[in-house]
Amino acid sequence: EAQVTQNPRYLITVTGKKLTVTCSQNMNHEYMSWYRQDPGLGLRQIYYSMNVEVTDKGDVPEGYKVSRKEKRNFPLILESPSPNQTSLYFCASSLGQPYTPTYGYTFGSGTRLTVV
Amino acid sequence: TQLLEQSPQFLSIQEGENLTVYCNSSSVFSSLQWYRQEPGEGPVLLVTVVTGGEVKKLKRLTFQFGDARKDSSLHITAAQPGDTGLYLCAGAGNTDKLIFGTGTRLQVFP
Repeated sequence: EAQVTQNPRYLITVTGKKLTVTCSQNMNHEYMSWYRQDPGLGLRQIYYSMNVEVTDKGDVPEGYKVSRKEKRNFPLILESPSPNQTSLYFCASSLGQPYTPTYGYTFGSGTRLTVV
Repeated sequence: TQLLEQSPQFLSIQEGENLTVYCNSSSVFSSLQWYRQEPGEGPVLLVTVVTGGEVKKLKRLTFQFGDARKDSSLHITAAQPGDTGLYLCAGAGNTDKLIFGTGTRLQVFP
């Protein structure tokens, strides 16, 4: 089944403890992206990657890191999480540029992160 | 900054009713996507509209792109509980990015 898999689904952690949220897609998609979803603020892009070893900042990159060493994987790293990073996180992938009419995103099921 | 505003923010209706959700902007978008996000899941792409005035139908869902490509609407006929979810529009703006609206949360009661 074609899908984007995120792990873990739920995570509670303490301030300052480094964590990684994994994301993997099995569709050979070029484009991958991380979003956070907060009430009243909608989906905001954190980082995106257009291909292996190519990553770029989205709208809210502060406090996050990403890497794209393999086409299928795009982990999100929080080096020193803070309570304002408590959110619902989504990984998404697209065969090409997701803003073009031919494509669009396939989203993972989300990771609900709580930082205390 | 290009923004997409969706209305209403919340909608609670009975099964069988019709409803319309709006996605508005003061900016022109080259295309617009609609997603549905069910509770506990990620958004799922429903449709993409490209041409001003374009209408697309997906079973009981009708999507329309405004003539000036600044707005879009989603009309659901005879809503069912399975239509419950968060409806998101997303526009392809002038920054080569997809801009998401804030969403309309729909609850359909049996």
